[in-house]
Amino acid sequence: QKEVEQNSGPLSVPEGAIASLNCTYSDRGSQSFFWYRQYSGKSPELIMSIYSNGDKEDGRFTAQLNKASQYVSLLIRDSQPSDSATYLCAVIKGYSTLTFGKGTMLLVSP
Amino acid sequence: NAGVMQNPRHLVRRRGQEARLRCSPMKGHSHVYWYRQLPEEGLKFMVYLQKENIIDESGMPKERFSAEFPKEGPSILRIQQVVRGDSAAYFCASSPAGGVQETQYFGPGTRLLVL
Repeated sequence: QKEVEQNSGPLSVPEGAIASLNCTYSDRGSQSFFWYRQYSGKSPELIMSIYSNGDKEDGRFTAQLNKASQYVSLLIRDSQPSDSATYLCAVIKGYSTLTFGKGTMLLVSP
Repeated sequence: NAGVMQNPRHLVRRRGQEARLRCSPMKGHSHVYWYRQLPEEGLKFMVYLQKENIIDESGMPKERFSAEFPKEGPSILRIQQVVRGDSAAYFCASSPAGGVQETQYFGPGTRLLVL
């Protein structure tokens, strides 16, 4: 079982729609959860971090964490073509090192 | 306020040569992390360093790879006797402190191509 799993996509949504990105993790000891966005050929850029169960909202982005189900998600409201990128889910379970999923490619069509 | 800096941005080496990748963390950050992204693969942790100390090198290949973060100067990831399988993007990240809630900020990466 992979430590952090994401659907590779691509996830295609029309402009203005809600994009829902999902991630599951295997280690119940995971403590912190992050969503990074990576454009092709670029470096990862932090979108959201979440540490406790529930929802966390920041602008058009909402992160949701359910530790009992070992599940974390990212919702993007009013999706824009500029949101087209690969979204990486990452967790920290010990020290400070990030364990990443392979990412979900999001395509937002105008 | 400069972010994480990495150089070179692109590096071409022939098999058997050495590659040296440099990373200067953000101002005020004393913790550095190196990650590797192979083509079509996810980001994989390699090594975590603090000034003059290696905290966690569990993701580093046992041979040919080494890392340091001296008291003065950038962190360096060194790959000796490179092979084609080392071709990848190498990213450095930094954080102000260690801890499970510290955000890591990534540099632009070094794209290594081994011919």
